[in-house]
Order: sequence, then C-alpha cells, then structure tokens
Amino acid sequence: ETGVTQSPTHLIKTRGQQVTLRCSSQSGHNTVSWYQQALGQGPQFIFQYYREEENGRGNFPPRFSGLQFPNYSSELNVNALELDDSALYLCASSLVDRAYGYTFGSGTRLTVV
Amino acid sequence: QQPVQSPQAVILREGEDAVINCSSSKALYSVHWYRQKHGEAPVFLMILLKGGEQKGHEKISASFNEKKQQSSLYLTASQLSYSGTYFCGTTIRGSQGNLIFGKGTKLSVKP
Repeated sequence: ETGVTQSPTHLIKTRGQQVTLRCSSQSGHNTVSWYQQALGQGPQFIFQYYREEENGRGNFPPRFSGLQFPNYSSELNVNALELDDSALYLCASSLVDRAYGYTFGSGTRLTVV
Repeated sequence: QQPVQSPQAVILREGEDAVINCSSSKALYSVHWYRQKHGEAPVFLMILLKGGEQKGHEKISASFNEKKQQSSLYLTASQLSYSGTYFCGTTIRGSQGNLIFGKGTKLSVKP
C-alpha cells in the first residue's frame, strides 16, 4: 500500500508568480484535501476534491484553485503569490462518506520572496 | 468553526499521564486525533463518531461527548515517543468531508 506523495518537497518563488503543487493519493482513496500549515500553527483547510469536483472550501481566496484527476491525484495552484503564502502545504487523502482517517503526505515547503 | 484545544502545551516526565481537550461550538459529526512530530506529516491516531464513544490505541485513548461537543485524548504512562504536537480535527453535520483542525497541543515528554 503506497502512501501519499507530494512534489516538489521544497520550492522558492517570487511574489506575483504562480505555483503548482502535486499530490498522489494513497491507493484506494478517492478524496483529496489540501491544507496550509504556517510555522507553529495547525493545518488550515483550503479545499477538498471528490470525483474531480470541489467538495468543500475553507476561507481562502479564489487565487487558490485545484484539480483532481481520474486517478485521484490532485494539483493545488496558487496565482499571484504573496509573501504570506509561505508555508507548508499538506495534501491528505481519504475515503469520502466513511469513518476513516486522513493519510497525509510529507508536504511541500513553499517560500515566497 | 475551528475547534478549541487545551492546554496549548504540556510537559511531562516519562510515565506520567496527560489529557488534551477539544471543544466545538458546532454540532459535530466526527472527531479525529492526529500527532505531528517536528518536520513530519500529521499521523492519524483515531476517529470518534458517536456520542459517548471511546477508543483506544495502545496507551492512548479518546472519548467523545456528543452532547457537549467535546472530545478528550488520554495519554497514559507516557513514553518519549509520545512527544509531538497533537491536533484534533472536527467535521460538522452537513459538511462531513471538511476536516477542520484546532491549533494543536504541544506535548513534551522528558526522561
């Protein structure tokens, strides 16, 4: 059973640029959620995807967008990067409508300069 | 909507017990507990669905009081490996898929 893999592990971008982060779900999972975690804080919910559609969204602006593909992998896109977007971005996969926990990837550390 | 955790931090000696609390102002569907070690991803510990439900995982157990919208995580006879930040995550009725995390409780176990 493979876990959740995220790429890249680290990324440095300039303010105003765009970035795409990638996530491969754990085998058998059909839902992907994305979280932003600032240093010393809890993960903040960005959105969740199920059956290639957004299934819920947290308090993040529209410049945060995502995709889920038929193989349940996912992308997080962030446009017009701001300095405050610097954080660890975590992807988690799960089974929707089931009482299962989330399996998290190791994250992508994004630094905006 | 974000659950509130207490305490924010706790320091234990090996073998001591600890309780971490999580409360919400919303009607909860489920409560998750995760542990995150420094520089690592959060790791799932357990999920509670029903009011009054209790679960155990080795010497770590949890309860869920549905009426009070509260959950507690119990760590007994703590080990050095228990050190890390513990997060509760909650889902509310009507949006069961959206797992919202508290700010975390940092647990340090000393020899």
